[in-house]
Amino acid sequence: DTGVSQNPRHKITKRGQNVTFRCDPISEHNRLYWYRQTLGQGPEFLTYFQNEAQLEKSRLLSDRFSAERPKGSFSTLEIQRTEQGDSAMYLCASSLEQSYGYTFGSGTRLTVV
Amino acid sequence: SQQGEEDPQALSIQEGENATMNCSYKTSINNLQWYRQNSGRGLVHLILIRSNEREKHSGRLRVTLDTSKKSSSLLITASRAADTASYFCATELTGGGNKLTFGTGTQLKVEL
Repeated sequence: DTGVSQNPRHKITKRGQNVTFRCDPISEHNRLYWYRQTLGQGPEFLTYFQNEAQLEKSRLLSDRFSAERPKGSFSTLEIQRTEQGDSAMYLCASSLEQSYGYTFGSGTRLTVV
Repeated sequence: SQQGEEDPQALSIQEGENATMNCSYKTSINNLQWYRQNSGRGLVHLILIRSNEREKHSGRLRVTLDTSKKSSSLLITASRAADTASYFCATELTGGGNKLTFGTGTQLKVEL
């Protein structure tokens, strides 16, 4: 197991297009988290899963964002009708249980032009 | 919203010196964690301290937690150029659904 894997590493898209990112967590971790980070800021929580159940979604997350974790394995984050303000680093993390440290992936950097 | 506030925002020291970063938070927590992020990369978990603990060590790292003051500090002893990174504190809030809330970070630069 090589840790948390995120694909793609970089994505450039035109405003209005849809994008989808993938995260493969550490296999024995049942919790998976998505965060967004802009330059000079700390990561901002988007949503998290325990197994396949999406347990919490940030109120800041618009309806254009959706995440899934089918079968409790990998997860996808989709952004529909992208806007320039969506440009950020999207980070995925997994953890073994509640109150454990997170293992982060290297992130997907999204640029909306 | 950001729960934690790190202080200072930026810190520049010479190799071999100690670096101290502070984190303050607002509400009751289950635990507080520190992460390191090298430029443009993902975050790396450094240390976790639970609300009933006051001090924890890991290698050259020492973390303290004062729940009465809602603050924590991270001390890196004998710093190295490779310690240059951004350091974030993150809190798991009591009743906050297990997710971590990150602060704004301290940028540490260790010069040779």
